Amino acid sequence: QKEVEQDPGPLSVPEGAIVSLNCTYSNSAFQYFMWYRQYSRKGPELLMYTYSSGNKEDGRFTAQVDKSSKYISLFIRDSQPSDSATYLCAMLRAQKLVFGQGTRLTINP
Amino acid sequence: SQTIHQWPATLVQPVGSPLSLECTVEGTSNPNLYWYRQAAGRGLQLLFYSVGIGQISSEVPQNLSASRPQDRQFILSSKKLLLSDSGFYLCAWSVYRLRTEAFFGQGTRLTVV
Repeated sequence: QKEVEQDPGPLSVPEGAIVSLNCTYSNSAFQYFMWYRQYSRKGPELLMYTYSSGNKEDGRFTAQVDKSSKYISLFIRDSQPSDSATYLCAMLRAQKLVFGQGTRLTINP
Repeated sequence: SQTIHQWPATLVQPVGSPLSLECTVEGTSNPNLYWYRQAAGRGLQLLFYSVGIGQISSEVPQNLSASRPQDRQFILSSKKLLLSDSGFYLCAWSVYRLRTEAFFGQGTRLTVV
């Protein structure tokens, strides 16, 4: 069993839709949770990070963490074609950053 | 501001040839450094990470090795490449013990032929 599980998709939605991306994890030692966005042939760029259960909002993006269920989510509101990318969740324990498989997202105009 | 440099951007190497990928970070001291590999359509697989000079932790048994000869330099090497070593290699850094985000280089696309 992988430490971090993420549905690889692909996920295709119309412009303006609300997108929900999810990851589960098995190790309760993970303390910090991040979401990265990766455009084709580029390095991942950090979108959001959080270390506590609950919601954290940044513009159209909301990161949600539920440590009791070992479940994290990223919500994108009013999705735009420029949001089309691969989204990766990542979690940190003991200086080691572990990534999910990534979800490929396409926003259709 | 901090920047990370990774080169080359693209590399085509024959099977059995050696490999050396270099990553350097500017604008910070004593960073954590990471090497990841990403196969096509897949997530990031952690290969090595380092919390200091000469301190390397290996995550996956393979014919790759890593070294950290200087505080802000991280090198990924192989003596003999295999076809299965093809992929997108990414170097990343994070601030030691203070913040948790990792920042990535632009990657090296390696094709072993």
